[in-house]
Amino acid sequence: DAKTTQPPSMDCAEGRAANLPCNHSTISGNEYVYWYRQIHSQGPQYIIHGLKNNETNEMASLIITEDRKSSTLILPHATLRDTAVYYCIVRVSGNTGKLIFGQGTTLQVKP
Amino acid sequence: DAGVIQSPRHEVTEMGQEVTLRCKPISGHDYLFWYRQTMMRGLELLIYFNNNVPIDDSGMPEDRFSAKMPNASFSTLKIQPSEPRDSAVYFCASSPGDFGAEAFFGQGTRLTVV
Repeated sequence: DAKTTQPPSMDCAEGRAANLPCNHSTISGNEYVYWYRQIHSQGPQYIIHGLKNNETNEMASLIITEDRKSSTLILPHATLRDTAVYYCIVRVSGNTGKLIFGQGTTLQVKP
Repeated sequence: DAGVIQSPRHEVTEMGQEVTLRCKPISGHDYLFWYRQTMMRGLELLIYFNNNVPIDDSGMPEDRFSAKMPNASFSTLKIQPSEPRDSAVYFCASSPGDFGAEAFFGQGTRLTVV
């Protein structure tokens, strides 16, 4: 199973872009990269996912390196409500359902 | 759709008692997951179902834990007998069957065993 490595914590100024890195050097060719976040006391919330190409939605952008060994989640204009734990997950190979969470990155957005 | 619905939101019980947590997934979703979250261990996948059939229960900590999904709209996680170390937040999630689909989480049940 591909594993992910994220920094335990990061700070970001309100209104600035937050760039959250993730390493997944053992990722397989058919495994997706997912990002979820968990705001205090709530269930995890889906943000975005991708396979090879960069992806963008109303919440964030996902940049995946060409070798797929790392990715970056970008919150273009962070707000105080974006303070949360962000999880980078690689979908388990050969299984369409399983999501395994690591320790994630605690993002603190400061005024 | 109201999303994934879990009940109760909070449960306090005495050690040795049976505890049943309930989950109603989003209609039409093929997968249902049960997770447990503690400060020490983070989010752990306990078990998941595909079309009401348990696929992988390797995360279930011991025989005191059991999960069922009698139909597509309901699942239970039972702990019998409960112990203080079972205190945690238990999340239920569901997702469609498409590879690459997102999972939607409920608000969780905070269990305290005293």
